[in-house]
Amino acid sequence: SQTIHQWPATLVQPVGSPLSLECTVEGTSNPNLYWYRQAAGRGLQLLFYSVGIGQISSEVPQNLSASRPQDRQFILSSKKLLLSDSGFYLCAWSSGRSSYNSPLHFGNGTRLTVT
Amino acid sequence: AQSVTQLDSQVPVFEEAPVELRCNYSSSVSVYLFWYVQYPNQGLQLLLKYLSGSTLVESINGFEAEFNKSQTSFHLRKPSVHISDTAEYFCAVSDRRTSYDKVIFGPGTSLSVIP
Repeated sequence: SQTIHQWPATLVQPVGSPLSLECTVEGTSNPNLYWYRQAAGRGLQLLFYSVGIGQISSEVPQNLSASRPQDRQFILSSKKLLLSDSGFYLCAWSSGRSSYNSPLHFGNGTRLTVT
Repeated sequence: AQSVTQLDSQVPVFEEAPVELRCNYSSSVSVYLFWYVQYPNQGLQLLLKYLSGSTLVESINGFEAEFNKSQTSFHLRKPSVHISDTAEYFCAVSDRRTSYDKVIFGPGTSLSVIP
């Protein structure tokens, strides 16, 4: 069966520090991968998506970047965190073979607090 | 551009009472519809989906949703709620007109079941 791992679960970082959140998927190949951010009391904002190794698309201009060094690994990074980067970050995957009607499978999220 | 509206940000309901969570989307052309549930400090889980065929879809835990093309709605219902149904519920739409597998989420509805 497919599983998705996301870590760390919680993170407190000072303003201006770097960030690296990692997400890995097991049990499937060539998945579509996504990073979402969920602010308190708000819906999900798509940050990045990837349809293959090295292929990253950004949905919104921001202080963050993403990379996909391996087929089932997706990394969210920042060189210098801002207070506004605080939030709940969710990694997700969907089947690359059946786009549009394939549901998203989410990790358990990382709660990031920038102080 | 496709958009999803969930008019009720919070819905309190007594245990064993019926509930309806409303969802409307902006266009009915070539869309797939989903409901996700999020328990505190966790990622989202797929609750049910409409891809084609019967307009009434059901989940394993008693929820159902009906696709109404003329009203561009996909409301979620349950005839009798339990305490364990307390969670955040997100309606989502996948639009085949986009060039990639993009899912648009509504802002979410917080369901609180009162004992």
